[in-house]
Amino acid sequence: DQQVKQNSPSLSVQEGRISILNCDYTNSMFDYFLWYKKYPAEGPTFLISISSIKDKNEDGRFTVFLNKSAKHLSLHIVPSQPGDSAVYFCAAGGDDSSYKLIFGSGTRLLVRP
Amino acid sequence: DVKVTQSSRYLVKRTGEKVFLECVQDMDHENMFWYRQDPGLGLRLIYFSYDVKMKEKGDIPEGYSVSREKKERFSLILESASTNQTSMYLCASRDRGLRNEQFFGPGTRLTVL
Repeated sequence: DQQVKQNSPSLSVQEGRISILNCDYTNSMFDYFLWYKKYPAEGPTFLISISSIKDKNEDGRFTVFLNKSAKHLSLHIVPSQPGDSAVYFCAAGGDDSSYKLIFGSGTRLLVRP
Repeated sequence: DVKVTQSSRYLVKRTGEKVFLECVQDMDHENMFWYRQDPGLGLRLIYFSYDVKMKEKGDIPEGYSVSREKKERFSLILESASTNQTSMYLCASRDRGLRNEQFFGPGTRLTVL
């Protein structure tokens, strides 16, 4: 039973346009959510996070939106650049006293020049 | 900057061999994690450790064990490697403080023949 789902395995976007990556979760007890970016043959790198008490967090070209009633979060990248081409994972945590993160299956983003 | 290193980038082993994957972090983090990444499945937690000599099972611990004798080092052991353990293995660490993100190493691509 996947608690964190990324239903789009891939996304292709033109350079300069907006990329929107989506993530759904089932556990309403999650306390925080994170997005990671992963290039081939490298480990994931942290991108941006959001607490469950907020509905938006922005960092430069990256904005994460959280809709708690829908149990849905999204990552917006504006404007998209070819260097953004990577696999993006959403993750959730804080539903128990451990520090575990539950990851989605990832979305491969391709930004076309 | 946090640095997490893993002993090997690529490893090829034979079925039945005992395999050691080493992970070292240099930021005095209390928490360390081992994940495996497989296509379409995202990152799945194998084991984690709150502190030295402490360990907890993750979601897929079968066939694995871990060791944390020193704070900076977290080892993953495959007691008798099998072909279904062919995967990308990722180590991560986290500070026990307020920040929720985990910092990842570059990964070890393990192939079991």
